[in-house]
Amino acid sequence: DAGITQSPRHKVTETGTPVTLRCHQTENHRYMYWYRQDPGHGLRLIHYSYGVKDTDKGEVSDGYSVSRSKTEDFLLTLESATSSQTSVYFCAISAGQGPNQPQHFGDGTRLSIL
Amino acid sequence: AQSVTQLDSQVPVFEEAPVELRCNYSSSVSVYLFWYVQYPNQGLQLLLKYLSGSTLVKGINGFEAEFNKSQTSFHLRKPSVHISDTAEYFCAVSDRSGGSNYKLTFGKGTLLTVNP
Repeated sequence: DAGITQSPRHKVTETGTPVTLRCHQTENHRYMYWYRQDPGHGLRLIHYSYGVKDTDKGEVSDGYSVSRSKTEDFLLTLESATSSQTSVYFCAISAGQGPNQPQHFGDGTRLSIL
Repeated sequence: AQSVTQLDSQVPVFEEAPVELRCNYSSSVSVYLFWYVQYPNQGLQLLLKYLSGSTLVKGINGFEAEFNKSQTSFHLRKPSVHISDTAEYFCAVSDRSGGSNYKLTFGKGTLLTVNP
């Protein structure tokens, strides 16, 4: 299994509070991704990073920010959580960004916002 | 923009029966195709991928998929399923449409349930 650890694995919080999810990798891969998974929607890309301090938006980036100060850590922050952000969040990593470098996924964080 | 359509949201089958999970994509540029599997409470694992060459691709756990460019399809098949194949399966497309970086676009998933 790829060395990806997501924390926390489960979190329940209230609307309006800030939330930070962490993705930690031990593979020294350059690319890291945050997705959210919702029933009937599959996985949708929130943000991704192509190096330390280099990030870009995905298709559902509104309401989310990210930071990558070290190769091994990619943080996803919900500045003011809303109920629509209740979801399962997956981190993925890849050695490169071409199709010959498949993405490997963590086990997910289940986030509930009441 | 690229899109991926998985035609069946749920597929129930009996153990040892064959199964086909259907996937169609739309893209105006060269594409690279993937199937991922997700077991309950786990992340996604890569089953197989098509990058180029032979249109019949073999993956792990006895699965295979066939790339059909004229039909823009990439259907997943297994000749005889096991109870342990019960999982959700996602088709995904990777291409550069809309930018310089490759992005993965996922279908909505097909839940395969294998019954004894």
